[in-house]
Amino acid sequence: EIVVTQSPGTLSLSPGERATLSCRASQSVSSSYLVWYQQKPGQAPRLLIYGTSSRATGIPDRFSGSGSGTDFTLTISRLEPEDFAVYYCQQYGSSPLTFGGGTKVEIK
Amino acid sequence: EVQLVESGGVVVQPGGSLRLSCAASGFTFDDYTMYWVRQAPGKGLEWVSLISWDGGSTYYADSVKGRFTISRDNSKNSLYLQMNSLRTEDTALYYCAKVYSSSWEYFDYWGQGTLVTVSS
Repeated sequence: EIVVTQSPGTLSLSPGERATLSCRASQSVSSSYLVWYQQKPGQAPRLLIYGTSSRATGIPDRFSGSGSGTDFTLTISRLEPEDFAVYYCQQYGSSPLTFGGGTKVEIK
Repeated sequence: EVQLVESGGVVVQPGGSLRLSCAASGFTFDDYTMYWVRQAPGKGLEWVSLISWDGGSTYYADSVKGRFTISRDNSKNSLYLQMNSLRTEDTALYYCAKVYSSSWEYFDYWGQGTLVTVSS
């Protein structure tokens, strides 16, 4: 099973700042099959990025994903008030799929 | 519009049983693998179980193997999770989730979840 580790656990930033979230896998993720979800309090996760770098429908272009192999990054270019949330990565290149533990982006 | 609506979550004693349901609409249900994913209070996401489009293949996380049973009724567009021998560590919000495709198993739609609390 691929273990996925996200860092940092919490990121304290101000609106307008750039956020860089890291996701590291214990083994290479096949075909860059990695996604990112956003979860706000009291809501289900929402798909943001699939296939490492493709934005899901309706996701603004301030969200971008990159990476390969074992190291992946979600970047939010300029934080909007609605972007403060918890972000999870998930690999689907190997069975079973596995989630990272999440990164909370909070208002500084 | 795709909708997934879970139900059945309640407070149950350790050792008890519970059946969760998920009603699906807005897509061709029997084309897709479906999952149950849970989230303990204040914690991250954990896949619990999956079932293939026809119900012919099922898989379970080690933490629930032998205690939980996933099933589906394609004629009713419904997904189920039978939970037996419940433990306090099973306390969580249980989500029903649809995969994007059988080749790309990430979740494009989630329900709002149903809360299972295991407590004496």
